Amino acid sequence: VVMTQSPLSLPVTLGQPASISCRSSQSLVYSDGNTYLNWFQQRPGQSPRRLIYKVSNRDSGVPDRFSGSGSGTDFTLKISRVEAEDVGVYYCIQGSHWPRTFGQGTKLEIK
Amino acid sequence: EVQLVESGGGLVQPGGSLRLSCSASGFRFSAYVMFWVRQAPGKGLEYVSGIGSDGRDIDYADSVKGRFSISRDNSRNILYLQMTSLRPEDTAIYHCVKDGVDFWGQGTLVTVSS
Repeated sequence: VVMTQSPLSLPVTLGQPASISCRSSQSLVYSDGNTYLNWFQQRPGQSPRRLIYKVSNRDSGVPDRFSGSGSGTDFTLKISRVEAEDVGVYYCIQGSHWPRTFGQGTKLEIK
Repeated sequence: EVQLVESGGGLVQPGGSLRLSCSASGFRFSAYVMFWVRQAPGKGLEYVSGIGSDGRDIDYADSVKGRFSISRDNSRNILYLQMTSLRPEDTAIYHCVKDGVDFWGQGTLVTVSS
């Protein structure tokens, strides 16, 4: 399954919203009815951390300005108001098919 | 508490070999797909290899196919990556990752240089 993210570079003004798209080449609806599409973030110099699991569930400690949505093959990560600490690279990854595959990454920077 | 602790990295000459290990604890290791992801200096994350929960399903990135071998010991909760014919472009931090990407190891640095 090929995961395609866009844009690959995302300059955003502080306080403004940001949106990242992730499209899969096949439906990510698994046989159990769940959709295993996760988002994770890598800040500069840090290990990656997951933000969103199963499309729209925020992990513990993730600010509520982050939200995930979508279905089937089309998914979106939104940040309602970008803060300086959001700078980094964002990836989507699918866990519905073998092998696991992730997108190319979207680099968010502050304008 | 879930922990993934990688070891085995180091400096190796081109053409050499290394075996990475990832010791897992705090979750039912044998129930999860596991994989290795690497990050070269200044670059993004790159999927390296994945292995199914029982070790039967195995996958490799094209860049390492035929040179790297992934395995696991579910009795000891350890994930391995045997790396042979190493190249300078394999230089990276190698992370062990639990399926679902909710837990990552801190990584072990592999440097391939003469």
